[in-house]
Amino acid sequence: AQKITQTQPGMFVQEKEAVTLDCTYDTSDQSYGLFWYKQPSSGEMIFLIYQGSYDEQNATEGRYSLNFQKARKSANLVISASQLGDSAMYFCAMREATVAGNQFYFGTGTSLTVIP
Amino acid sequence: ETGVTQTPRHLVMGMTNKKSLKCEQHLGHNAMYWYKQSAKKPLELMFVYNFKEQTENNSVPSRFSPECPNSSHLFLHLHTLQPEDSALYLCASSQDLASGLTDTQYFGPGTRLTVL
Repeated sequence: AQKITQTQPGMFVQEKEAVTLDCTYDTSDQSYGLFWYKQPSSGEMIFLIYQGSYDEQNATEGRYSLNFQKARKSANLVISASQLGDSAMYFCAMREATVAGNQFYFGTGTSLTVIP
Repeated sequence: ETGVTQTPRHLVMGMTNKKSLKCEQHLGHNAMYWYKQSAKKPLELMFVYNFKEQTENNSVPSRFSPECPNSSHLFLHLHTLQPEDSALYLCASSQDLASGLTDTQYFGPGTRLTVL
């Protein structure tokens, strides 16, 4: 079974509108971390936002917020006031608290296009 | 230079060639990673180093050989590759594997490898 599922291969949003990118995860651990990364066409993966499994409040970083619903095992990324520069691939990832401490899983990504 | 750098950015090689990818991080981190990113597939973790010691080898073929001479540098030596090895190879670094769930990975821009 996939650890991270991103069901939207591609999304479009009008400039200045908000958009939600979906992410569901699969883990039996109580302690885990969730990450979102942005990958523009240049290739570099840019860290956007982090949510810990024990965090009671949804994480926010500027125009990015994470809609964390633990019971549903979902960690959707909300981008408010979309800008043309937001057009990129977006990846959801999870780190599990294993003994080795290095199990890091990525989804297949969602391609976001911002329309002027 | 800041962040994580990778050279070369693009590489075309024949199946009999030997080449090396280089990664350097300027973040003072102690963990470094190699990932392979192929189209339509999640990122695949290849190797993990923590304080120069290899901690993870995810069943990577021996034609890929990593080297980590110090905590700032990571190499991926390539020899007798196959066309299916063509992909984007991403390097990442993080504080260290014992830092816990918030230990965020920071990525370089990647090397786009084409094997003819």
